[in-house]
Amino acid sequence: ETGVTQTPRHLVMGMTNKKSLKCEQHLGHNAMYWYKQSAKKPLELMFVYSLEERVENNSVPSRFSPECPNSSHLFLHLHTLQPEDSALYLCASSQVPTPDTQYFGPGTRLTVL
Amino acid sequence: QKEVEQNSGPLSVPEGAIASLNCTYSDRGSQSFFWYRQYSGKSPELIMSIYSNGDKEDGRFTAQLNKASQYVSLLIRDSQPSDSATYLCAVNTGADRGSTLGRLYFGRGTQLTVWP
Repeated sequence: ETGVTQTPRHLVMGMTNKKSLKCEQHLGHNAMYWYKQSAKKPLELMFVYSLEERVENNSVPSRFSPECPNSSHLFLHLHTLQPEDSALYLCASSQVPTPDTQYFGPGTRLTVL
Repeated sequence: QKEVEQNSGPLSVPEGAIASLNCTYSDRGSQSFFWYRQYSGKSPELIMSIYSNGDKEDGRFTAQLNKASQYVSLLIRDSQPSDSATYLCAVNTGADRGSTLGRLYFGRGTQLTVWP
């Protein structure tokens, strides 16, 4: 595997389900990110993890819970989601502080029924 | 709120023409600037990065940065139908106080169609 991988690529879940998205980077980077991309909206940063810190967007609901066990793996745990959470969820990685260029995985297309 | 604005498009150009994509940003402290290409149903793919004022060329792509005007652009020469995609401008505003991590803010994207 090369670059940034994400699983699953597609996910359909009910509002009462619990699921997790997985991201793995093979680039030797030290920072990983979760983004949400909804139709007609800019990419929205949800969470950032590096070795030293975690940064989160305060507008992200608590039904989204990130986990970063090491510098190569990132998870997004989902529970009691709403239909408006349906979107493309993208993982990215970079090397901080420089060059800090972010490379994206293929994304998970999430549909909440 | 740190904003990144792109010309709304859609932009349609004939094959072989120059496509010009524009982007403005609100945070004067922004340090690095990126153009991503996103095909429908796919994830963003990095095309260009630029950090200092002036032009940066890579093949058919030229990025231009003017920090005084808070403006960054992307020119695509000899446009091809395979260039048809949405182009995202992204701006790294640097780390907030107390953090070592910069933030990347994206525009809504400009949809480009290159017709044969």
